[in-house]
Amino acid sequence: DVVMTQSPLSLPVTLGQPASISCRSSQSLVHSDGNTYLNWFQQRPGQSPRRLIYQVSNRDSGVPDRFSGSGSGTDFTLKISRVEAEDVGVYYCMQGTHWPTWTFGQGTKVEIK
Amino acid sequence: EVQLLESGGGLVQPGGSLRLSCAASGFSFSSYAMSWVRQAPGKGLEWVSAISRSGGSTYYADSVKGRLTISRDNSRNTLYLQMNSLRAEDTAVYYCVPDTGNDWGQGTLVTVSS
Repeated sequence: DVVMTQSPLSLPVTLGQPASISCRSSQSLVHSDGNTYLNWFQQRPGQSPRRLIYQVSNRDSGVPDRFSGSGSGTDFTLKISRVEAEDVGVYYCMQGTHWPTWTFGQGTKVEIK
Repeated sequence: EVQLLESGGGLVQPGGSLRLSCAASGFSFSSYAMSWVRQAPGKGLEWVSAISRSGGSTYYADSVKGRLTISRDNSRNTLYLQMNSLRAEDTAVYYCVPDTGNDWGQGTLVTVSS
């Protein structure tokens, strides 16, 4: 089974400063079709998860451009260029390459210092 | 607008049963595989089960295999999760999610406790 490992698990940040979350998979996430199905989700307090990024680096509709995703193979990163108060929550990476099983990272809690 | 409305959750004793439903609208339900994902209180996200577009193939996490059964009715645009032999560790909010992963409902809370 694929294991997704995020770091850090807790990320205190100053408003306006950048933030970065790492996600590593135990197996390559390159699908046989050539795509890499690595997604990032945001879960604000009391809300359902919301997808921010799909296929490593594509922002979903309505996602601010301060969010960006990068990486390849087994190493991926979510970056927030300038953290805003509304970005507080838990962020999860998720692999969809090895469907039908989805695997989520443990989650990274972003809070304001 | 895509809508996913989960229902059927509640309080059940260990060993009991529940049937969750997910009413989908705003997209071509029969064109998408569907999954159930759960989140225990204060914990992370866990994939539980998936079903193919036709319903002919089903998949389960090891933790629920043999106790939970996923099904769908494409004529009713509805996804189901039959939950039997429930355990305390099944306590969670259950979400239904299309295989695009980009739409989530509000979820339904299942609490297994005596």
